[in-house]
Formats: sequence, structure tokens, C-alpha cells
Amino acid sequence: QVQLQESGPGLVQPSETLSLTCTVSGGSMRNSNYYWDWIRQPPGKGLEWIGSFYHSGSSYYTPSLKSRLTISGDTSKNQFSLNLSSMTAADTAIYYCARSHRNVAAPQPRFDSWGQGSLVTVSS
Amino acid sequence: DIQMTQSPSSLSASVGDRVTITCRASQSVTNYLSWYQQRPGKAPKLLIYAASTLQSGIPSRFSGGGSGTDFTLTITSLQLEDFATYHCQQSYSVPYTFGQGTRLEIK
Repeated sequence: QVQLQESGPGLVQPSETLSLTCTVSGGSMRNSNYYWDWIRQPPGKGLEWIGSFYHSGSSYYTPSLKSRLTISGDTSKNQFSLNLSSMTAADTAIYYCARSHRNVAAPQPRFDSWGQGSLVTVSS
Repeated sequence: DIQMTQSPSSLSASVGDRVTITCRASQSVTNYLSWYQQRPGKAPKLLIYAASTLQSGIPSRFSGGGSGTDFTLTITSLQLEDFATYHCQQSYSVPYTFGQGTRLEIK
């Protein structure tokens, strides 16, 4: 049973960069059926997909954050990371890492495993 | 971006009821549609993918339907643990997008 765990600061100063890491256990990031994603949820609001990392080294970003965002991974450590620069109060949210699963039989990507979430508050 | 719109935004029901939540996409997503359940303070949990395929371990009282732009999530015989928020999500094109959520409350 795969498990994902986010780690990083709970408080970020405005204009600074958020760095979060997701550690994957119980499964390999090198499995070709999986992408590794970040999703966030502002308090009391809906879910927003941020971006994905694939073991080949490719990353995919939501356009609204692309200029501030870097998602990378280290498959030898079974970890992937998010860096979001120029943080503002609008970036205050619970940040989830998740596994996106697709395969030949069911090519429709779906988030089948999630971390518990990491609340990040942007405030001075 | 593909916009996903759920209705209703909130819903009151009783244990044992049957409820249906609707999700509409701004353009066709064929069957690239998933449903998630989120309990307060918890991460979302995958219920349905490919519009109608039940995720392993999910009770059969949950079912999904639809294709193209219109989708439904139906829960038959509501149990106490089903009162939560439900989200639809399209994975047809990047950026993946979610509906705004439907909060299912006890009447």
C-alpha cells in the first residue's frame, strides 16, 4: 500500500518561496503507470491541480502558476518536490501530494493515493 | 481550461435516502471523469474513475454515470459515513480541473 507524506514549513513570508517535499513509501516512483502530483485547497474552498512530475524527468504545470512554479523529483530517494516563488496570501492553502494512476486497461488518470496534506499560511 | 460545474452546491438528506449529484463540463471530456469524497480535515478519497468504474474497496452503493459533458454520482441507501463533500474532476486535458464541490449534510 503506497503512502505519501508532505513535509515543509507551515508559515511562509510574503514574497518568499515555498518548498515542499513529498516522500513516497510502499511503491516506486519509477513505475510507468504513475505520475506524481501536487494539488492545493484554500481553506473552505475547492481543489486546484498545481502540476505533475513523471519519472522520466518531465514536469507539467497549471498555466496560472507556471511562471512561479517548479516541480521536480528524485527517484533514487522516492521523493518529489514543489517550489512556488513570490508567495502571497492567495497561496494560503492545504497542499496535497497525490499519485495519478493510469494504465493500458484504464488510461483515464485518477488520483488514487493522497498525502494527508500540509497547511501553508502566507503571513508576515 | 475546462470548467467543471457541480449541482447542487449543498444537499440535505437522511440516512437511507438515495441522492444524485451532477457534474457538467464546459466541453466534452469523454469519460475522463473522476469522483472524490472528502471528509472534514481529511484528504480526498477516490470513489469513481473513468466516469463509472468503482475504485477498489468502495461500497457498491456508490455509482457513476454519464459521458461527454454531463455526469452523475449516485449514492443509494445513504450511510452516516457518507455525509461529506464530493468533488468531480476531469483528466481529459491539462490543467486538470475540479468542480467546486457538493456538501452532503444530514437532514
